[in-house]
Amino acid sequence: GQQVMQIPQYQHVQEGEDFTTYCNSSTTLSNIQWYKQRPGGHPVFLIQLVKSGEVKKQKRLTFQFGEAKKNSSLHITATQTTDVGTYFCAGLTGGTSYGKLTFGQGTILTVHP
Amino acid sequence: DTGVSQDPRHKITKRGQNVTFRCDPISEHNRLYWYRQTLGQGPEFLTYFQNEAQLEKSRLLSDRFSAERPKGSFSTLEIQRTEQGDSAMYLCASSLGQGTYQETQYFGPGTRLLVL
Repeated sequence: GQQVMQIPQYQHVQEGEDFTTYCNSSTTLSNIQWYKQRPGGHPVFLIQLVKSGEVKKQKRLTFQFGEAKKNSSLHITATQTTDVGTYFCAGLTGGTSYGKLTFGQGTILTVHP
Repeated sequence: DTGVSQDPRHKITKRGQNVTFRCDPISEHNRLYWYRQTLGQGPEFLTYFQNEAQLEKSRLLSDRFSAERPKGSFSTLEIQRTEQGDSAMYLCASSLGQGTYQETQYFGPGTRLLVL
């Protein structure tokens, strides 16, 4: 079945440093979505990428979707303590399973002030 | 609050007991999803409904698990004869599915189950 892998599993940064997490799928995706989960919380939708090679920005966050639609990345510039949490990518393969998301295992980000 | 709600938020039960969780989606959303999340892992898909029809079930959903969405609004997830391996966070999500690949799923706060 489809697998979505994320690296790194953990990332510790000093406040102000940049952070990147990478996501790779074993199959071509229809789209990829990114979620953030704060400690003790639930996943909160950040963004969705649909087009090959798409790049989207949200303030300090930059999201990319690979040309082959099998990989993606999330980059945070100048991290802040509010960025702490687990970042998940989730892939959608489409077909009849319109909404069946396959999540990566997440990257846990800690930010030291 | 117009978001997805789940009840209860926490449940502690003894092995062998049955438990039932409820999810109330965002009111106009026609699709409803159940996921299970264990510590250190991403959510794993269990099943989903479009209106009242259950369209897909994961192989993770053993015979002890059953989900319903009788009127196409709220949904229940029942686990019979619970096992310690069922301990996890059970997440519900809903979306306004329109037959495209661009729907956003909104997650509820989850029900954390601990089986002793």
